[in-house]
This record gives sequence, structure tokens and C-alpha cells, in this order.
Amino acid sequence: GAVVSQHPSWVICKSGTSVKIECRSLDFQATTMFWYRQFPKQSLMLMATSNEGSKATYEQGVEKDKFLINHASLTLSTLTVTSAHPEDSSFYICSARDLTVPNEKLFFGSGTQLSVL
Amino acid sequence: DQQVKQNSPSLSVQEGRISILNCDYTNSMFDYFLWYKKYPAEGPTFLISISSIKDKNEDGRFTVFLNKSAKHLSLHIVPSQPGDSAVYFCAASFSGSRLTFGEGTQLTVNP
Repeated sequence: GAVVSQHPSWVICKSGTSVKIECRSLDFQATTMFWYRQFPKQSLMLMATSNEGSKATYEQGVEKDKFLINHASLTLSTLTVTSAHPEDSSFYICSARDLTVPNEKLFFGSGTQLSVL
Repeated sequence: DQQVKQNSPSLSVQEGRISILNCDYTNSMFDYFLWYKKYPAEGPTFLISISSIKDKNEDGRFTVFLNKSAKHLSLHIVPSQPGDSAVYFCAASFSGSRLTFGEGTQLTVNP
């Protein structure tokens, strides 16, 4: 099946620094990638939809200047958490859509646990 | 507005028995439903799906049932195995739109 690689799997950073998370589709082209955030024991909350070659679409309440998303190629999308604060600590997950697979069978990356000190 | 709800945050069953995970939705426009399984510190993995034109889909030990009139779907796992212990998310979409996830149910299968 389709594989989505997410890196890094965990990161610890100091408050005020920026962190970049990469999401790659390894064996298919993903015109659309999605970024989710999950707090402990809560659902996956969609943060933004990333379309290759265009600006990302952010969900209500998600600061686009804080969570910078770049989708420069059909196989790579990045999420940069700028000026991270402890409240940004969370589990971030990307997913990608394989257009050859019917319906909404998204494939997810393995996630990134961000801890901001 | 939580359009997809999993009212049971946790479920514990004995190995070999049936596990039944439930999911309710409010949006009658949803036409495709999926179940994902998630281990701690990992991304979700696709498990099984069902289109609204069906009421049952089976794949090995996993069966998903859809009751459109009740806006309810369930995932049956039989027989349950300790390796099935994970968080299970149901998700729904309509007309190819983005997925809406439920809150998840932690399944624990005891040996």
C-alpha cells in the first residue's frame, strides 16, 4: 500500500524556536496533504489542507502565521511551527491522498511528537 | 459541533471474544465511512471502510455495519486478539470532502 513518511518522529525544542516537520509520499504523488494535531485522548483535529503549488487552507482557529505549511512538490509537504511555545506541544500527523485509491482512503505518516520546553 | 461521535472512550474485552466499537454521526450527507487503528505515538492506519450504499463490509476478522436510518456504524472484531489493543477512530466524509473523525475508542484485549 501507499507509504507516507514523516520526520522527525519526535522533537524537543526550547520555547521561541521554530521546528520543521516533513511529510513525504514515498511511492505515489500526493496533490493534497493534510496536517492534523492530536492532544492526548482526543480526536484528530484537522489543522490545514495543503495543495501542491498553492497556499494551504487553514481550519478556523489555526494561526497560519504560526503554522507555516509548504507543499512545493507532489511528494513533500512541510509544517513549520514558528516561535514554538509549550502550548504547541502535541502530536502532529500528516496524511496524503493517493488519487489512484478510491474515495477517502488517506494514508497517514507516523506522526511527530513535539515537546516545547 | 461534533458530527462524528464515539461515545465510549474505552472498551475492554477478553481474547477470543467479539469486540464491538460504535460510532454515531449527525450529518446525513456523509456517504463514506472508515475505521482507522492507532497505536501510541504512531499515525493511524486504515482498517476498513464502507460506502453508504452498503450496510455491511467484511474483511477477515473485521466487519463494519452501517445503519443509515439510525446514523450509526459499528466495527466488529472477532475473534479479538491482544494485538488488536489500540485506539480506533471512525471517520466520515461526503462527496470526496475531507474526513471528519470521531474522538476514538481505546480497545484493550486481555489475554
